Amino acid sequence: DAGITQSPRHKVTETGTPVTLRCHQTENHRYMYWYRQDPGHGLRLIHYSYGVKDTDKGEVSDGYSVSRSKTEDFLLTLESATSSQTSVYFCAISEKAEAFFGQGTRLTVV
Amino acid sequence: KQEVTQIPAALSVPEGENLVLNCSFTDSAIYNLQWFRQDPGKGLTSLLLIQSSQREQTSGRLNASLDKSSGRSTLYIAASQPGDSATYLCAVRGAGNMLTFGGGTRLMVKP
Repeated sequence: DAGITQSPRHKVTETGTPVTLRCHQTENHRYMYWYRQDPGHGLRLIHYSYGVKDTDKGEVSDGYSVSRSKTEDFLLTLESATSSQTSVYFCAISEKAEAFFGQGTRLTVV
Repeated sequence: KQEVTQIPAALSVPEGENLVLNCSFTDSAIYNLQWFRQDPGKGLTSLLLIQSSQREQTSGRLNASLDKSSGRSTLYIAASQPGDSATYLCAVRGAGNMLTFGGGTRLMVKP
């Protein structure tokens, strides 16, 4: 398995609180991605990074921010969590070819 | 905007059958196409990667083909087994190195 670790794996949080999800890789891959997966919508790209401090928005970026201060870490922050952000979040890495995914973080906003 | 469609959305077959899963995409300007498997509650496992210059890739009982000009890929599974039951996802890599996913095909192989 590709060296990708997502933390936490599960989280329950209250509406209005900030939440940060972490993706850590040991593969030194340039590209990192955050997706969310929801029934009926499939996997949708939130943000991605193409290098340290280089990030861009995806399809569903509203309400999310990201940071990448080191090659190995890509953080996703929900600035003020809402119930619509209840989802499973996946991190992925790639080097222009094959993409590898983490095991996911199940986030519930109550 | 790239759109990826997978047909059928769900499929139930008896063990031993050969089957074909379909993936179509609207923009043929892709770098590659990747097939994944996802088991319930789990992450995505990469099955096959086809570069845009390739026509097919094989891994064991799996064979994936790519017709970039017509915007289609198929995943062929030979001699299906109950352990093949999962959701199969295709994704295309296009401009900006972004992956766009199809909605998936949920496969059930009955013993």
